[in-house]
Amino acid sequence: EAGVVQSPRYKIIEKKQPVAFWCNPISGHNTLYWYLQNLGQGPELLIRYENEEAVDDSQLPKDRFSAERLKGVDSTLKIQPAELGDSAVYLCASAQGSVNEQFFGPGTRLTVL
Amino acid sequence: AQSVSQHNHHVILSEAASLELGCNYSYGGTVNLFWYVQYPGQHLQLLLKYFSGDPLVKGIKGFEAEFIKSKFSFNLRKPSVQWSDTAEYFCAVYGNNRLAFGKGNQVVVIP
Repeated sequence: EAGVVQSPRYKIIEKKQPVAFWCNPISGHNTLYWYLQNLGQGPELLIRYENEEAVDDSQLPKDRFSAERLKGVDSTLKIQPAELGDSAVYLCASAQGSVNEQFFGPGTRLTVL
Repeated sequence: AQSVSQHNHHVILSEAASLELGCNYSYGGTVNLFWYVQYPGQHLQLLLKYFSGDPLVKGIKGFEAEFIKSKFSFNLRKPSVQWSDTAEYFCAVYGNNRLAFGKGNQVVVIP
């Protein structure tokens, strides 16, 4: 069974540029999460989807971050414009239902110069 | 909102030594507790979980954790570590429809 797929694995951009991350969850997993992980910290939730609906986006900085999960399968997280402080690892996870074990992707390491 | 505390962020020990990582959480409701591990260059993966029942849970690779409700703790243990246990370990608590992680413990096992 394929795991959670994320791309790109690494991204280097200059500040004020836009950037997008893509996630394909495990087949059959209706719940999808985006997390932000800063160096030396644990993951912090940005947004949670149940199918195509964003049911918890209270932690998403909506002035510059946006996300979508069209058709309830894969998802895209976008930052526009990126700031220096956005440098971090962006993790995607999926689960069957919201309480069950979450399966994580390898993450995208973003560096903003 | 729930929160998780992990102490001793960096742990260095020799092979065959015993390992115990502390995890304390704050949350007033029913909790589901997890330990995740991230090996170098790999993604986060589940080590073990507690939902209900026996408070002593066993996970993969010889790890176990004990849920002590009165202490709001879910400490992780392994009696004898191996070099391959070098990794970062994260405790997490699920509550309010959210999984909250601690800051993690960076564990280095010296051969």
